[in-house]
Amino acid sequence: QVQLQESGPGLVKPSETLSLTCTVSGYSISSGYYWGWIRQPPGKGLEWIGSIYHSGSTYYNPSLKSRVTISVDTSKNQFSLKLSSVTAADTAVYYCARENWNDKGNWFDPWGQGTLVTVSS
Amino acid sequence: EIVLTQSPGTLSLSPGERATLSCRASQSVSSSYLAWYQQKPGQAPRLLIYGASSRATGIPDRFSGSGSGTDFTLTISRLEPEDFAVYYCQQYGSSWYTFGQGTKLEIK
Repeated sequence: QVQLQESGPGLVKPSETLSLTCTVSGYSISSGYYWGWIRQPPGKGLEWIGSIYHSGSTYYNPSLKSRVTISVDTSKNQFSLKLSSVTAADTAVYYCARENWNDKGNWFDPWGQGTLVTVSS
Repeated sequence: EIVLTQSPGTLSLSPGERATLSCRASQSVSSSYLAWYQQKPGQAPRLLIYGASSRATGIPDRFSGSGSGTDFTLTISRLEPEDFAVYYCQQYGSSWYTFGQGTKLEIK
């Protein structure tokens, strides 16, 4: 069964770059699918950040695009998120998830357990 | 950007009752691109419905989705204690995803 696990610093200083990695087990990223990042500020709703294909093709939320870079390392079966110039508004639980699609549409499943990243000096 | 508005914000019901949750889009959404998730405190969202009406693997048949265009509904036919949670709708269009703000289903 496919499992995803986020990892990275839980505290980042304002103006610095947030870096997270998602490790996938039970499925080889090289076999296909897009893989995405979604975040959730404390007590608030969900916001899609962006997604990447195993080939490295990416697409991003237009509202975050100027600050986001998502990359993939198929040798480690991982994909990563970098978000630059962070502020307190970027404090959130960050989830990674597999993006599924067919003629029934697009959706995220499964999800990682999430990791809280706090932006504070 | 397609904005999804969920209503009500909070729904108070008792176990055994029927729950009807609404998700309204600011523009027409292809019914193939509407999904529903359940989220419990401290947990990641869990996929319930995709393609507006297809249940995900392992989801009980008391959960059903319907709708088209701009109006979509998640129905829980008979509430179980474990169904009290926050529910989100999600759409995919023009190469990006948006989520509704959520409906909290609480025990009355």
